[in-house]
Order: sequence, then C-alpha cells, then structure tokens
Amino acid sequence: AQSVTQLGSHVSVSEGALVLLRCNYSSSVSVYLFWYVQYPNQGLQLLLKYTTGATLVKGINGFEAEFKKSETSFHLTKPSAHMSDAAEYFCAVSDVKGDSNYQLIWGAGTKLIIKP
Amino acid sequence: DAGVTQSPTHLIKTRGQHVTLRCSPISGHKSVSWYQQVLGQGPQFIFQYYEKEERGRGNFPDRFSARQFPNYSSELNVNALLLGDSALYLCASSPGRGEFSTDTQYFGPGTRLTVL
Repeated sequence: AQSVTQLGSHVSVSEGALVLLRCNYSSSVSVYLFWYVQYPNQGLQLLLKYTTGATLVKGINGFEAEFKKSETSFHLTKPSAHMSDAAEYFCAVSDVKGDSNYQLIWGAGTKLIIKP
Repeated sequence: DAGVTQSPTHLIKTRGQHVTLRCSPISGHKSVSWYQQVLGQGPQFIFQYYEKEERGRGNFPDRFSARQFPNYSSELNVNALLLGDSALYLCASSPGRGEFSTDTQYFGPGTRLTVL
C-alpha cells in the first residue's frame, strides 16, 4: 500500500533563509503528488501539484517542488522564508490507477516555524 | 464565490451518541470527499461521493456513513461514537469533470468533534 513520509514533524528556519520540507512516498508506480498548507484553524489549501510533464513544479507564495522518480521524493522548497509562511505543510499522493476507489494518501505533516 | 462550508464548527458529544456533520461544496463542484484528521496526524480518507454515488471508501468501520444530495451537499454520519472518533473532520470538494486522481480538492475549515 502507498505511504507518505515527511521527514521532521517540526522545521525551524530564520526569516529570509531557505525552506526545505522533505517528502518521500513508498511506491514506484506512477503517482500524482500534492503539497497542501494548513494555517491555524483553517482548512487545507493547495500549494502545488505534480501530474505530468515538467518535474519542477511552481506553486503559490513562491514555493516550488521537484519530482524525482528515482528517489521517490517530492521535496518542497522556498528560497526565502517569510513570517507568513509559518503553518503546517502536508504532502499527499494519489495512485494513477484509474478512478476506482480514488483516494489521497497523506503524510503526517511538517510544522514550519519561522524565527525572526 | 463562497468556498466549501461545513457545519457545525465545533461539536461535543458523549460516547455512544450519534453525530451528523454537513458540508456544502463550491458551486459547480460535483464531488465531495470526507477526511478525518486526528491531532498531530495527516488527514485520513473516509469517503468520496460523485453525482450522489459513493466512489471511494477508506478503512473506516461501518459506523461511518455518508450521503450526497441532489444539490451536491453532503452529510457524514457517525454512530455509536467512541473516544477515538475525536478529531477534525474535513470536507473537500472538487469539480469532478476529469480524472479524480489529478483533481484539486478544495477544503472547508472542518468540524472539530470532541467525544467525552
């Protein structure tokens, strides 16, 4: 069964520093990959997704992620952190096996802390 | 346009009771999915409905049921509540026009259920 691993339940960076949030998935079959962000007391918002095509995906708020099939990874980066980026980030994967019993499999989340 | 709305925002129940959670999707969206998010974990898929038909079911007991109405709104019902059912219940809607695996899901703010 598919699983998603996010390394680090908490990541702390200084304002202006590089943000790197790691995501690895278990299956080597074709997948679609997503990053969502959850601000306190709010629902989840899509940052970016990879379906097909270019493996470097640009999303909202300056975030981007690179799909590396050989490493089964989809790490999220942002060159310069802002205080407003403080939130919890979730990586999710769906299998490309048709529409029967479609579901997203989610990682446990990484809480991003921005230090002034 | 209004986003996904959920009601109630908070709910306190006791063990053995029944609960109904409600979700209204974004206008024009025909697919609704339900997730359970336990504190400190990623969302767990419960159900997906499209055009009033169940299209996917996660690994949850039969105490959990759902339905989708002709206006595409949805209800999640949980019977015989257990302490472990305490969680944030998220509803997400998606257009449902294409392949479900690539559809962006738009999340509501969730219903916080506490079981005492």
